[in-house]
Amino acid sequence: GENVEQHPSTLSVQEGDSAVIKCTYSDSASNYFPWYKQELGKRPQLIIDIRSNVGEKKDQRIAVTLNKTAKHFSLHITETQPEDSAVYFCAASKTSYDKVIFGPGTSLSVIP
Amino acid sequence: ETGVTQTPRHLVMGMTNKKSLKCEQHLGHNAMYWYKQSAKKPLELMFVYSLEERVENNSVPSRFSPECPNSSHLFLHLHTLQPEDSALYLCASSQDIYTGGSPLHFGNGTRLTVT
Repeated sequence: GENVEQHPSTLSVQEGDSAVIKCTYSDSASNYFPWYKQELGKRPQLIIDIRSNVGEKKDQRIAVTLNKTAKHFSLHITETQPEDSAVYFCAASKTSYDKVIFGPGTSLSVIP
Repeated sequence: ETGVTQTPRHLVMGMTNKKSLKCEQHLGHNAMYWYKQSAKKPLELMFVYSLEERVENNSVPSRFSPECPNSSHLFLHLHTLQPEDSALYLCASSQDIYTGGSPLHFGNGTRLTVT
C-alpha cells in the first residue's frame, strides 16, 4: 500500500522568510496530492492540491511542486507570517478511489 | 460554519462505558470518513462510507462500530475501549469516492479520553 513520508517534522523560520516542506510517496499509481493545514486545536483544512498531470501550482504565497519520476512533492510558503504557524500534512491518493494517505506532519513555527 | 459538525467536542469515558460520536455534514457529499489522530502519528483512516455503504474498514478493532444511516450522518459507537484509544477522532466528507481527487472537509473532531 501507499506510504507517505514527510520532512522535516519541525521547522522554525523568521517572519518573512520562506518555508519548504518535502514529502515522498511510494505508490507510483498515486496521482492526487493535497496539503492540509491544521492550526492548534482546529480541524485540518485543505490549502492547496496538485494532480499528477501538473508539475507546479501556485496560490498567492503558497506553491506546490511535484516530481513524478522521483515520487516526491514539496510545499513552498513565501513571505511567511505568524498566522502560517500550524501543522502541515501532505497526502497522496489515487483519484480513482478517494482513500487519502497522510504524511506524519510538519510543525511550522513562524517567529515574529 | 464548517459544513461538517461533530459532537461532542470532548468526551471522557471509562473502559466499560458505551458512548457514540456523531457527525453531520451539510455539504451534499456522498462519502464520509472517520479518522483517528494521535499525538506524533499520521492521521489514520478508520472507516469510509459511500452512499451509506461501508467501503473500507481499515483493520479497526471491533470495539469501534460505525453506522451511517444516510449520506449526511455518521456515527462511531464505542464500547470497552482501551486507554490507548484516547485520541482526536475526526469526521470528514468528500464529494464522493470516485471523483478524481475530491478534497476532504473535516469536522472539528471529538477529543476522546479513556480512563
